[in-house]
Amino acid sequence: DTAVSQTPKYLVTQMGNDKSIKCEQNLGHDTMYWYKQDSKKFLKIMFSYNNKELIINETVPNRFSPKSPDKAHLNLHINSLELGDSAVYFCASSQDRRSYEQYFGPGTRLTVT
Amino acid sequence: AQSVAQPEDQVNVAEGNPLTVKCTYSVSGNPYLFWYVQYPNRGLQFLLKYITGDNLVKGSYGFEAEFNKSQTSFHLKKPSALVSDSALYFCAVRDWGGKLIFGQGTELSVKP
Repeated sequence: DTAVSQTPKYLVTQMGNDKSIKCEQNLGHDTMYWYKQDSKKFLKIMFSYNNKELIINETVPNRFSPKSPDKAHLNLHINSLELGDSAVYFCASSQDRRSYEQYFGPGTRLTVT
Repeated sequence: AQSVAQPEDQVNVAEGNPLTVKCTYSVSGNPYLFWYVQYPNRGLQFLLKYITGDNLVKGSYGFEAEFNKSQTSFHLKKPSALVSDSALYFCAVRDWGGKLIFGQGTELSVKP
């Protein structure tokens, strides 16, 4: 069974559209994260939720809105997509907010045309 | 602010030779340091961490890392490289809020 899963794996869409990426973890973890990896492979955290509560909110355009319906799911909704949003988005989870090890999903490659 | 730097974009090693992937850090206080590996088209996998204790940390797949406080370094090492070790390696530091701050990554290429 996949520990941290993301859907879709690939997403191609046009500028101005709204899209969502879903993430689920079956590890029983309390804390989940969204990271963005740009074309140069640079990886940066965007958001973190602990037990459905937002605890980390980096300097991200407010077109990006995370939602955590329960502690096993963390979705990322993006409004009015722009070319610069093209990247690979990774979801991750950890036992709790103090845990050192994070478990990453396989990534969603978003291409905005 | 906490940060890590990986001075080499790419490291090339022959199979069977030892490998080193470099990382230096800048933190206030005691550092919590990590190495992650990313295989092509995959998510990151945890390799090892340094929190406290022995300066030599052993991790997955035969990797180890040496914490050097005086040089503010946390280099990743393996005595004998395998072709299957070819991947993108990230050093990271954890800040007080729990965020992982990653280096820019080093592409390791192991040739037969």
